[in-house]
Amino acid sequence: SAVISQKPSRDICQRGTSLTIQCQVDSQVTMMFWYRQQPGQSLTLIATANQGSEATYESGFVIDKFPISRPNLTFSTLTVSNMSPEDSSIYLCSAGQGANEQYFGPGTRLTVT
Amino acid sequence: GQSLEQPSEVTAVEGAIVQINCTYQTSGFYGLSWYQQHDGGAPTFLSYNGLDGLEETGRFSSFLSRSDSYGYLLLQELQMKDSASYFCAVRVGDYKLSFGAGTTVTVRA
Repeated sequence: SAVISQKPSRDICQRGTSLTIQCQVDSQVTMMFWYRQQPGQSLTLIATANQGSEATYESGFVIDKFPISRPNLTFSTLTVSNMSPEDSSIYLCSAGQGANEQYFGPGTRLTVT
Repeated sequence: GQSLEQPSEVTAVEGAIVQINCTYQTSGFYGLSWYQQHDGGAPTFLSYNGLDGLEETGRFSSFLSRSDSYGYLLLQELQMKDSASYFCAVRVGDYKLSFGAGTTVTVRA
């Protein structure tokens, strides 16, 4: 298994600003992902963070709004840019060690005012 | 695209058995996973079915029928700590998951 930490755990931000969320895995992993989850709702995949290349974004998510970095096999960042209240959500990082099992970080609860 | 259907809520008493069904429509299906998420917590992996049949892990079992595009999670000997949301998820590519809307399980004493 993999242990995943995220920083910050929560933040309150003003609209128009940006927030960078960090995700650290305790071991090298092949795949890392970023999800968004509204409280009580399902998880929506934002993008796959690829080591050494640009992230792969899902439909409805774009790099200008959610730039992602993955400088190595244990670390990734997600930036939420030019925030609006609609970006208020829980942002989750996950890592896949094997093909069929993902481990999730505790999430970052973002409120945009 | 993908679509998954699972019941929104299930309530049962301690010691009971609960079955959460999941039907899916997707292209490029690789397998069906189940995740548990307690309120305010991170989703945690429970099980994965890549082939038809039953997988058992302690009190929890998961079943898959690829021909019926159907699976279920079976929770036995329910305990209060099992109160949580349970998500089915289809693996649709290299490690990529698409999640269902989730089933909230409430266990009563």
